[in-house]
Amino acid sequence: ETGVTQSPTHLIKTRGQQVTLRCSSQSGHNTVSWYQQALGQGPQFIFQYYREEENGRGNFPPRFSGLQFPNYSSELNVNALELDDSALYLCASSRNTANTGELFFGEGSRLTVL
Amino acid sequence: QQPVQSPQAVILREGEDAVINCSSSKALYSVHWYRQKHGEAPVFLMILLKGGEQKGHEKISASFNEKKQQSSLYLTASQLSYSGTYFCGTSRQTGANNLFFGTGTRLTVIP
Repeated sequence: ETGVTQSPTHLIKTRGQQVTLRCSSQSGHNTVSWYQQALGQGPQFIFQYYREEENGRGNFPPRFSGLQFPNYSSELNVNALELDDSALYLCASSRNTANTGELFFGEGSRLTVL
Repeated sequence: QQPVQSPQAVILREGEDAVINCSSSKALYSVHWYRQKHGEAPVFLMILLKGGEQKGHEKISASFNEKKQQSSLYLTASQLSYSGTYFCGTSRQTGANNLFFGTGTRLTVIP
């Protein structure tokens, strides 16, 4: 069983740029959630994708957007980057949308915005 | 809606016990516990659903008091491998799509 993989692992951008982060979900999982984890903080929910549609969103502005593909992999796009967007972005896959199951996290993409 | 965890940090010697608390100001449906080692992905420990059950996982167990909107994680006879940051994640309703995570408790086990 292949685990959750994310790419890139690290990247540096400047303010105003755009970034795309990628996630391959665990085999058999149809749901992908994205979380932002600032240094020293717990993960904060960005949004969830289920069967290629957004299925819930946290308190993040529209410049945070996403996609899910037929193979259930997913992308997180952030436009007009701000310094506060510097964080570890975690992708988590699960077997369903309900929060009664385990989330399988990837190791994250660490974004630094200068 | 972010739960509050205490303590923020704790240092133990191998073999000692620890309790990590998680409390919410809102009614909870479920509490989830994860451990994250430095530079690694958070790893699932257990879920506790509404009903006040207690769960065990080897020497790590947890309880959920829904009336008090609190959960506690118990680590007994700690091992070096228990070091990491422990997060509780809470959900207020069945079928919710997301978890609200606390700020974490950093646990360090020393020989």
